[in-house]
Amino acid sequence: AQSVTQLDSHVSVSEGTPVLLRCNYSSSYSPSLFWYVQHPNKGLQLLLKYTSAATLVKGINGFEAEFKKSETSFHLTKPSAHMSDAAEYFCVVSESDSWGKLQFGAGTQVVVTP
Amino acid sequence: EAQVTQNPRYLITVTGKKLTVTCSQNMNHEYMSWYRQDPGLGLRQIYYSMNVEVTDKGDVPEGYKVSRKEKRNFPLILESPSPNQTSLYFCASSPTGGLAGQLTGELFFGEGSRLTVL
Repeated sequence: AQSVTQLDSHVSVSEGTPVLLRCNYSSSYSPSLFWYVQHPNKGLQLLLKYTSAATLVKGINGFEAEFKKSETSFHLTKPSAHMSDAAEYFCVVSESDSWGKLQFGAGTQVVVTP
Repeated sequence: EAQVTQNPRYLITVTGKKLTVTCSQNMNHEYMSWYRQDPGLGLRQIYYSMNVEVTDKGDVPEGYKVSRKEKRNFPLILESPSPNQTSLYFCASSPTGGLAGQLTGELFFGEGSRLTVL
């Protein structure tokens, strides 16, 4: 069975500084991994996905993530934070034996200060 | 416009009174799923459906039922709601593909349905 742990419940960054959101996963089979963002009072939007192709994945709005199998990690980064990046971010995993069953992390709330 | 539509968006009800939250998508997606979102817990999957007449339990199916009689609709039924089902509910859909019929990527989410059970 798969599981996912987001290591930080809250992250505070200054505008223009790098953002790092950490995600570790546990999976018995080949996983697919996703990062989603949720702005206040909105549904979720896909930032990027890893589905067994390139391990460095680029997404929308300047975000990228690296799949590291040896570390079972899929950390999300952005070189320079914008005020519009303030939101909640979710790491998600699904496994090849049961693609439809998705496991969400508890979320990381990002605050961006001027 | 491609979208996932949930109704109702807000509902206050009482314990034991059966209710249905509807979900409809216009993108011809095979996959649909339901989640509940609670503070500090992220989203937890209730049920999912890989295609018509195929449904499976997620992590928290107790107290919920679903059906998938048509591709576009995936209603969530609470036969006898209880206060611990007070939550924000999301429906989502996605295309499938590949040799294994896996999810090909993006989940498209509805706007959410905030349910309060008194």
